[in-house]
Amino acid sequence: SYELTQPPSVSVSPGQTARITCSGDALPKQYAYWYQQKPGQAPVLVIYKDSERPSGIPERFSGSSSGTTVTLTISGVQAEDEADYYCQSADSSGTYGVFGGGTKLTVL
Amino acid sequence: QVQLVQSGAEVKKPGASVKVSCKASGYTFTSYGISWVRQAPGQGLEWMGWISAYNGNTNYAQKLQGRVTMTTDTSTSTAYMELRSLRSDDTAVYYCARRVRDYGDETYYYYMDVWGKGTTVTVSS
Repeated sequence: SYELTQPPSVSVSPGQTARITCSGDALPKQYAYWYQQKPGQAPVLVIYKDSERPSGIPERFSGSSSGTTVTLTISGVQAEDEADYYCQSADSSGTYGVFGGGTKLTVL
Repeated sequence: QVQLVQSGAEVKKPGASVKVSCKASGYTFTSYGISWVRQAPGQGLEWMGWISAYNGNTNYAQKLQGRVTMTTDTSTSTAYMELRSLRSDDTAVYYCARRVRDYGDETYYYYMDVWGKGTTVTVSS
């Protein structure tokens, strides 16, 4: 079955830039979406269609795509950004959804 | 405001079935779909499938086909997810989310923009 690969953890100091990658063979054909999940809470959409930001999401969140890798970038990281981040996409046919394994962002 | 309210926690024995509800408000129910996602304790998110609230079309994850059924009741703007033949590894928080269909760059794309708070399902003998 199709898989998306994320690093298990990323650590940054406040004010620095965090980059979380997600790799998958079908990403050149399928858009990626990013969700933020804080402990005990439901996920929140932070990026859709590779790089679009929903209303209400701070401008410091951005997304990009290059080949088989998509990247979530958080500029000027704040303590409140500490959370798990999941990429999500679909297989090459667009039939089945899939999530990456998640990346725990730690703000030092 | 757009809201999805899920039913309460469930405790089931192995082999039993569970049916989780998800009541939508604040938008036209039949203009969107509902996706279901689950999360086992300490684990990541798992895509389960979706249902169109417009025509009832469904698409299920391959590993759940034959055990899961997703339905909607448009008269009450409620979606349901039933999982049968429960096993211990079905223990998880089950989320519903609004499935948005959008169009851009000459293609349709879909994403989950509003989520319910989740329903804990525990399978234990």
